Amino acid sequence: GNSVTQMEGPVTLSEEAFLTINCTYTATGYPSLFWYVQYPGEGLQLLLKATKADDKGSNKGFEATYRKETTSFHLEKGSVQVSDSAVYFCALSFGGSEKLVFGKGMKLTVNP
Amino acid sequence: DADVTQTPRNRITKTGKRIMLECSQTKGHDRMYWYRQDPGLGLRLIYYSFDVKDINKGEISDGYSVSRQAQAKFSLSLESAIPNQTALYFCATSDPNSYEQYFGPGTRLTVT
Repeated sequence: GNSVTQMEGPVTLSEEAFLTINCTYTATGYPSLFWYVQYPGEGLQLLLKATKADDKGSNKGFEATYRKETTSFHLEKGSVQVSDSAVYFCALSFGGSEKLVFGKGMKLTVNP
Repeated sequence: DADVTQTPRNRITKTGKRIMLECSQTKGHDRMYWYRQDPGLGLRLIYYSFDVKDINKGEISDGYSVSRQAQAKFSLSLESAIPNQTALYFCATSDPNSYEQYFGPGTRLTVT
């Protein structure tokens, strides 16, 4: 079946540190890939997405590139801020169904 | 106003009680979803609906039922609540053009 494996954390970083959250997937075919973010006390919101191989999604300084050869979609940010403290979820879906399959999520805390 | 609203936001109930969680959306999309979030497990799909007449089971539908009263409303019921249904429940709706899902703020349910 389809599945997503991501770093689970929790991870604590200092402000301005570099962030990488690894995400790999197993799927039949070529899914769309997503990163969702959940800020404390809130629902999930879309951070970025990529719908085909080699696409790069970017938003709020975060980036991720769809790598078909390694079945990966790692999330990166060059300089994290305290406001980036949240839980990050990697997910996949197949166009037409839009059902999301989530990774387990990774909690990030950024200290001043 | 929020695009996806959920009521109640918090609920404590006893084992064996029937409980309904309600969801409304103003995005105008046909597709709606119910997810459950447990620590360390990410989000898992309970039920989804592609339109008012279409209801489908997700990954973990046992012990749950749903009702799609209108395009904008999708309710989740626990007919006889049990303690392992203690979790955070999210409703979502999706945009068929962008594949993005829009989540409600969640309902925290505790079954004692």
